[in-house]
Amino acid sequence: QVQLVESGGGVVQPGRSLRLSCAASGFTFSSYTMHWVRHPPGKGLEWVAAISFDGTDKYYADSVKGRFTISRDNSKNTLYLQMNSLRAEDTAIYYCTRETGATEYFQYWGQGTLVTVSS
Amino acid sequence: DIQMTQSPSTLSASVGDRVTITCRASESISTWLAWYQYKPGKAPKVLIYKASSLESGVPSRFSGSGSGTEFTLTISSLQPDDFATYFCQQYNSYALTFGGGTKVEIK
Repeated sequence: QVQLVESGGGVVQPGRSLRLSCAASGFTFSSYTMHWVRHPPGKGLEWVAAISFDGTDKYYADSVKGRFTISRDNSKNTLYLQMNSLRAEDTAIYYCTRETGATEYFQYWGQGTLVTVSS
Repeated sequence: DIQMTQSPSTLSASVGDRVTITCRASESISTWLAWYQYKPGKAPKVLIYKASSLESGVPSRFSGSGSGTEFTLTISSLQPDDFATYFCQQYNSYALTFGGGTKVEIK
């Protein structure tokens, strides 16, 4: 079955960087657009970024544009999120998600990894 | 970006109640809308896609309706497992956006 396992979260100081990873299994990873979605404490869900199946197209929320970079390695079935210049408001649970393949709703989710930005 | 506004933000209900949650888009999104259930410590779960299509494995007490800018999620008879937070999400265009959420609490 489809499995998405995030890693790389932790506590980081403002202004520093962190890279999240998402290991995918149970489906043909190279055929699907993948996304990162986050849930800040006490707030609603927020879509962060998306990358097309072959990595050629990338999309970002305005709140992370220029600071975060989404990428993928289809040979390793792994999705990444490089987060630079982190801010307190980036504190959230970060979820790796897979869409259906035809439409951009999130059919599968990982369990999430917590990122805390604090001095 | 398309803004998604959900109401109410909190809802108190009893087991067996019929519950309706509303989601309004700032511009037309046709039927490109999904609904998710979110419980603390768990990954969100998709319930409804394309405004009214039931995701496989989701109980039939969940239903969705609407098009354009007005959408509703209805739970026909609330069950104990349904106490959670519900989010709508538009996928008409990037940036993908979610509503603010509706927490369904035990009355």
